[in-house]
Order: sequence, then structure tokens, then C-alpha cells
Amino acid sequence: SYEVTQPLSVSVALGQTARISCGGSNIGNKNAHWYQQKPGQAPLLVIYRDNYRPSGIPERFSGSNSGNTATLIISTAEVGDEADYYCQVWDRDTVIFGGGTKLTVL
Amino acid sequence: EVQLVESGGGLVKPGGSLRLSCAASGFMFSDSGMNWVRQAPGKGLEWVSSITSGGNYIYYADSLKGRFTISRDNAKNSLYLQMSSLRAEDTAVYYCATYSGSYLPLWGQGTLVTVSS
Repeated sequence: SYEVTQPLSVSVALGQTARISCGGSNIGNKNAHWYQQKPGQAPLLVIYRDNYRPSGIPERFSGSNSGNTATLIISTAEVGDEADYYCQVWDRDTVIFGGGTKLTVL
Repeated sequence: EVQLVESGGGLVKPGGSLRLSCAASGFMFSDSGMNWVRQAPGKGLEWVSSITSGGNYIYYADSLKGRFTISRDNAKNSLYLQMSSLRAEDTAVYYCATYSGSYLPLWGQGTLVTVSS
């Protein structure tokens, strides 16, 4: 079955750019989606179809997807961006989540 | 307001059964595919099951086949998850979520299921 891999944690300095990777075999041939989850809250879609932002998501959030890596990019990181982030793809009628990455803003 | 509200969670003994519900409002539920996703305490997201808008196609995570059954009632704008032969490892927050193409745009707040004697 298809698998996607994320780093357990990523740290970024306040105001700098955070990049969270999501690795998978030829993931660039799939649509990658990203969810933000803060403690005690439900996941929130922040990027869909590699690089589209739902209404209400700041322009600071963007994404890319090529080859074997999809990437969530958070520019000008804020304290409020601290959260767990999950990538997700769809493969053979199943929803596949990465293990999640904890983003810390220093 | 567009929302999903789960209910039916609680404490159940190992081997027991439980039926979760998800009430949809504010959008055309009958046009939307739906999912159940769970999250064990301190763990990541795990997809459980999907059902298409008309209920014609249903999919399950391989690890859960035979124990969980997803269904929907479009007349009641409701999604269900019937869980049986529950185990301690089924303890989790269960979320319902819509799907659009290949992603999940709208999530409920979740309902906690605890399997313990």
C-alpha cells in the first residue's frame, strides 16, 4: 500500500519560512493536501491540490509537489502557526495520511 | 452555518458495539461523499472509511474490514458508523469529514470512543 512520510518535528524562527516535507513514491503524480491541527481541535484544511488555499487561509501558506516530495511552505511564521501538520493523498480509493509534523515557532 | 456534528461516543467494554452518528447542516449533504477518520490519544490521523454521495460505493481501511460498517441517510442528512467487536486499540476521537475529489474540506469536532473494561 502507498505510504507517505513526514518528519516528526520542524522548528522555525519567528518571522522566517517553515518548510514541511511529505515524501512518497512519485507523489508528484498525485494531489497532495495539508491539514493543520491545534491541540484539542479538529483538523483544518490549509492547502489542497498541491497549492490551493481554501477561503480564509492566509497567503502565507503555500505548497509545492514534484518528484517524490510534496512540501508545505509557511512564510513569515507566527506563533499561532504552531500546530501539527498532516499531508494527505488519495490512492486506490483510500485516504492516506502522513504521520504528522509538529511545527514549533521559536 | 455549514457544520458536521458527531455524537454517540462513550465508554464501551472490549467486545462491545457502538454506533456513531454525524449530523450535517448548511450544505447539500446528499451531494457530498463522506469519511470517518479517527485519532488515537497522542497519535496521528487514521482514515477509517468512505462512502460516496449516494451510498453506492463504500471503502474501508484494510485493518478494520468486517468490524466497522459505514452508512448514510440522505433524507436525515446523517452519516453513521456501526462499530462492533471493539478493542482497546479502537480508543480514539472519531471525526466525520466531507470529501471533495481527493481531499477532506470540512470536519466535525469529533466524538471520543473509549474501549475499556
